[in-house]
Amino acid sequence: GESVGLHLPTLSVQEGDNSIINCAYSNSASDYFIWYKQESGKGPQFIIDIRSNMDKRQGQRVTVLLNKTVKHLSLQIAATQPGDSAVYFCAEILGGGGNKLTFGTGTQLKVEL
Amino acid sequence: DAGITQSPRHKVTETGTPVTLRCHQTENHRYMYWYRQDPGHGLRLIHYSYGVKDTDKGEVSDGYSVSRSKTEDFLLTLESATSSQTSVYFCAITGGKADTQYFGPGTRLTVL
Repeated sequence: GESVGLHLPTLSVQEGDNSIINCAYSNSASDYFIWYKQESGKGPQFIIDIRSNMDKRQGQRVTVLLNKTVKHLSLQIAATQPGDSAVYFCAEILGGGGNKLTFGTGTQLKVEL
Repeated sequence: DAGITQSPRHKVTETGTPVTLRCHQTENHRYMYWYRQDPGHGLRLIHYSYGVKDTDKGEVSDGYSVSRSKTEDFLLTLESATSSQTSVYFCAITGGKADTQYFGPGTRLTVL
């Protein structure tokens, strides 16, 4: 079936380095993608989104890249800080007016001091 | 948490008992969702609502029912709780059909 998955379950980076979290999706009909951050004991928090008519979108310290050719999504975090330690999820919504998010299982980002 | 509260935040119950979880929003959003989160499975949709009294099933709806009598409240009921329903439950809301969903703080449910 269709799925959204993540390449790595755990990513460790040094404080100050850039982080890249990857996500593969398999449904070419998906047209909206969201990255969430989830800290321990809390609900997922919206970070950034991107629609399929874009290939890049930037926020504060974060950039999302979308490669529709290979169905790949990435989240780049600049100058990673200890507060960035969390689980990161990508999620997709199918095109055609759908409203159901499909989530990947998540990547744990650990920031080492 | 985008004007979303969930109650209770923690609950321990016994197998076979009914349980109701409440999601309350102050954003006047049309769409509300219930998810469960389990290790290795990520977030999975249980039920969702697209308006008062309008609900539909998600991918893991067996054993759950929902009700939405007011825009601001979405209730999730486990008619007869089972140990497999031990999980963390999240409510989410969105104003538009294909827009970002915002999540509540979650309810940790343990069924003994």
